[in-house]
Amino acid sequence: QSVLTQPPSVSGAPGQRVTISCTGSSSNIGAGSDVHWYQQLPGTAPKLLIYGNNNRPSGVPDRLFGSKSGTSASLAITGLQAEDEADYYCLSYDTLSGWVFGGGTKLTVL
Amino acid sequence: EVQVLESGGDLVQPGESLRLSCAASGFSFRNFAMGWIRQAPGKGLEWLATIHDDGVGTYYADSAKGRFSISRDNTKNTVFLQMSSLRPEDTAVYYCAKAAGYTVGAYYFDHWGQGTLVTVSS
Repeated sequence: QSVLTQPPSVSGAPGQRVTISCTGSSSNIGAGSDVHWYQQLPGTAPKLLIYGNNNRPSGVPDRLFGSKSGTSASLAITGLQAEDEADYYCLSYDTLSGWVFGGGTKLTVL
Repeated sequence: EVQVLESGGDLVQPGESLRLSCAASGFSFRNFAMGWIRQAPGKGLEWLATIHDDGVGTYYADSAKGRFSISRDNTKNTVFLQMSSLRPEDTAVYYCAKAAGYTVGAYYFDHWGQGTLVTVSS
């Protein structure tokens, strides 16, 4: 059971918008800790997509948006493409446990 | 270009020890914290340990406390993970990552290596 809760899977058709949620608690996201998002393609290392809740590193398309409110955060992907099919993880700092990842969400492009 | 390269993964028997290394380049290594994260087969990501830029401050997940030790050599741009009393459930790909962020609570991992596989089995 992860400290941060993500849906196991989401799906969408090409061109659609999908969101992935990351629900925490008062000891992490609710305590003001930033949320960061990673994409992991099969057999590869995770890649940073969003840092500091809503900032994109250079090279990450502006189709991806991060947001945070209360004890939760979300990653939105618009204009869904086949190449977006991957596993996605949120990361935050927990005052009790240190750095914690969500359990991961598998995105399927229909 | 930032590069992070892990090494040292191996097949070991339960109870044995293993030291992983992570060589970094392309950035001012001595100015950044570093971390280790692992991923068991078919499972999610699990943070294990983080070390401050000066090597003095270290942080561990409960699963790593007492058995794993993170250290660094800023003269060789290398960070280590010493693992002891290994168990079958420690079988995973172990990733080394460069940390970014201005304070401990704001650290995140921005550049990752490709990982090194540790298999614990008799």
